[in-house]
Amino acid sequence: SQTIHQWPATLVQPVGSPLSLECTVEGTSNPNLYWYRQAAGRGLQLLFYSVGIGQISSEVPQNLSASRPQDRQFILSSKKLLLSDSGFYLCALERQRQETQYFGPGTRLLVL
Amino acid sequence: ILNVEQSPQSLHVQEGDSTNFTCSFPSSNFYALHWYRWETAKSPEALFVTTLNGDEKKKGRISATLNTKEGYSYLYIKGSQPEDSATYLCALPQGAQKLVFGQGTRLTINP
Repeated sequence: SQTIHQWPATLVQPVGSPLSLECTVEGTSNPNLYWYRQAAGRGLQLLFYSVGIGQISSEVPQNLSASRPQDRQFILSSKKLLLSDSGFYLCALERQRQETQYFGPGTRLLVL
Repeated sequence: ILNVEQSPQSLHVQEGDSTNFTCSFPSSNFYALHWYRWETAKSPEALFVTTLNGDEKKKGRISATLNTKEGYSYLYIKGSQPEDSATYLCALPQGAQKLVFGQGTRLTINP
């Protein structure tokens, strides 16, 4: 079965600082990968998804970006964090044609 | 944009009581519906995927029904236990690669 790793687990960053969150997966090849965010008091919002290396689809225009340099690696970045970027960031994978998504442990980001 | 709505937003239930809540969605172009359970400080966990109108899925004390003609699914929990406290999310596929999630129903079981 697949395993999803995310790090760091918790992060406190000042406004204007850069961000890099990493997600790596094991136990599956060529998965679809997803970044979600849950802001305080809100639901699960899809930020980016990727169907393959170098292929990124953005769902919400904002100061975040994503990259997929390897099949099992998905990175979420920002050049300058905003207060509104605070939240719980989840990486998820979907095996091809399976539709059920499996979630990683998440990163809790607090921007001060 | 696919609109997935869940109600109620939050629910408090006494331990031992049964409860249910709703996921509503557009009935046209239905393909599948997913239910997830999201416990605090953990990641969402898949419960069910339902695809057929009238189908009922069951996992222990939790079951889900589906009505694709009227566009809703119910999640039932029989004999609630404290470990059932979580946010329950439903989601529907949009296109070939995405799931659209509802806002969730936050369930709290009071001992």
